[in-house]
Amino acid sequence: QVQLQESGPGLVKPSQTLSLTCTVSGGSISSGSYYWSWIRQPAGKGLEWIGRIYTSGSTNYNPSLKSRVTISVDTSKNQFSLKLSSVTAADTAVYYCARSWIQLWGNFDYWGQGTLVTVSS
Amino acid sequence: DIQMTQSPSSLSASVGDRVTITCQASQDISNYLNWYQQKPGKAPKLLIYDASNLETGVPSRFSGSGSGTDFTFTISSLQPEDIATYYCQQYDNLPRFAFGPGTKVDIK
Repeated sequence: QVQLQESGPGLVKPSQTLSLTCTVSGGSISSGSYYWSWIRQPAGKGLEWIGRIYTSGSTNYNPSLKSRVTISVDTSKNQFSLKLSSVTAADTAVYYCARSWIQLWGNFDYWGQGTLVTVSS
Repeated sequence: DIQMTQSPSSLSASVGDRVTITCQASQDISNYLNWYQQKPGKAPKLLIYDASNLETGVPSRFSGSGSGTDFTFTISSLQPEDIATYYCQQYDNLPRFAFGPGTKVDIK
């Protein structure tokens, strides 16, 4: 059974860069059968897709965040990562990593538990 | 961008009731529509993919239908464990992914 686990600082100062890592267990991130996404949810609000990466390193980003987002993959550690630059209070949210099977790439079938990131000085 | 609306935003129903949630897209999205259940403090869980397909392991009381711009999610007999917020999610080939605002379901 695949499991995803987010990790990273829970507090980031405004204007700095938010960095999170998702560790995948129970399966290989380099199998070539999946996309790996980041999704966030401000407290009490809805879900926003941030972007995704394929094993090859190919990425797709939400246009509204594209200028500030970088997603990368480290197959040797079975991890993928998110960097979001120039953060403001509006970036405070629970951040989830999630998986999409390449055959049904439009949905997210496995999710991490989420990690709260607060942007505050 | 494609906008997603859901209605109602919240509802209260009795155990055993049939519950229906609708999701509307601002333009034709074919059947590119999924439904998720999110319980407080938990990650969303995929229930229905591509409008009407039940994800493996999901109880059969959950179902989905629709295509184009109008979609429906149904719980045929509400159970206490179904208390949650339900989200629709659309996708396209760009790719873009967008979630609806959610419907909170409570027990009356």
